[in-house]
Order: sequence, then structure tokens, then C-alpha cells
Amino acid sequence: AQSVAQPEDQVNVAEGNPLTVKCTYSVSGNPYLFWYVQYPNRGLQFLLKYITGDNLVKGSYGFEAEFNKSQTSFHLKKPSALVSDSALYFCAVRDSRDDKIIFGKGTRLHILP
Amino acid sequence: DTAVSQTPKYLVTQMGNDKSIKCEQNLGHDTMYWYKQDSKKFLKIMFSYNNKELIINETVPNRFSPKSPDKAHLNLHINSLELGDSAVYFCASSQDLTVWSGELFFGEGSRLTVL
Repeated sequence: AQSVAQPEDQVNVAEGNPLTVKCTYSVSGNPYLFWYVQYPNRGLQFLLKYITGDNLVKGSYGFEAEFNKSQTSFHLKKPSALVSDSALYFCAVRDSRDDKIIFGKGTRLHILP
Repeated sequence: DTAVSQTPKYLVTQMGNDKSIKCEQNLGHDTMYWYKQDSKKFLKIMFSYNNKELIINETVPNRFSPKSPDKAHLNLHINSLELGDSAVYFCASSQDLTVWSGELFFGEGSRLTVL
């Protein structure tokens, strides 16, 4: 079955430091991978996606993600964290059998001033 | 203009009641979804409609009935509400599945509290 795992419930990073939010996936076939962000009391917003091509994908708000096929990972990164990056981040995969988007359990990112 | 809008934003009701949540999208998308986010923030798909036709129906109690009068609207009706139905319900939309890469556009959510 297609799935994504986010091993960290919460990540704390000091403002200005680089951040990484981890995601690993399990799919049959080629993976379609995504990151979404949810701010408090808001809906999810698309950040970036990997379908094919360069392993480093750039997205909104200065975020990027690195696709690593051998490690089946798709970690979200940003070189310099902002306090406003504090939010809930979801990794997701598209199930090629029925086109469902399956979300991970989310990782809460706290950027400390 | 809000791309995906849901009403109401908050809904507090008693067990056993029937309630509806409405969703409209003005993006011209062909596919719409309902997701449920529980108290632990876990997000799970409930239904998906493509051009008014049901294409995904997860293991959801029959008390939940989606209705799509046209491709811009997808409403969710819930009968005989139970305490466990308390959650935030998100509507989302996407392009036609034949050209779609997977990006979803979400509404702001409807927080349902069953007392």
C-alpha cells in the first residue's frame, strides 16, 4: 500500500538556522510526492511537489525538498528559518492506483525567536 | 475571491441531529473532495467527486452522504450525529484527473463539534 511516514511529531529550530522536516515514503511505481503547510485554523496550502526530474525541488516561501530514491525519502528543507514558518507540515503521496492523495500524520515546526 | 469556500466555518450541535456543510469552488476544477481532520490533526480522505460523479468513497458510515449538484459544488450531509464525528472537515478541489499532478486546493475548514 502507498504510504508516507513523518517520524517527528515536532521539530524545534532557532530562527536563522537551517531546518529539515523528514518524510519517507512507500509506493509501488513512480512516486508523486508533495509537501503541504497548515497554519492555525486554516486549510492546507500546497508548498511543492516531485514528479520527475531534478531531485531537488524548489517551492513556495523559500522551501525546497530533496527526493532520494535509494533512501525513499523526501525531506523538506529551508536554509534559514523564519518565525513565520511555524506551522504544521504534511508530506503526501499520490496513490497511482486510484489517484488518492495520502497524507502523513504531520510534523509541527516551531521556529524559536 | 476565495477559491474554495466552505460554510459554515463552525458548527456546534447535539448528538442525533442532522447537519450539512456546503462547499463551492470557483477554480473551474473538475474534481472535489471531502477530508476529515481529527483532533490529532490526522487527515483522511472521505469522498471524491469528478464532474458530479462519485469516484472515491472511503470506509465512511452511511450517515455521511455527499451531494454534488454541479462540478463547482460538493456538499456533505451528516445524519444522526455522534460524538466521534467531531472534527474539522475540509473541502478540496483539483484539476481533471487526466492532467492532474496531485495539487489540491483546500478550503478553510468547517469545525464540527457534537455535544
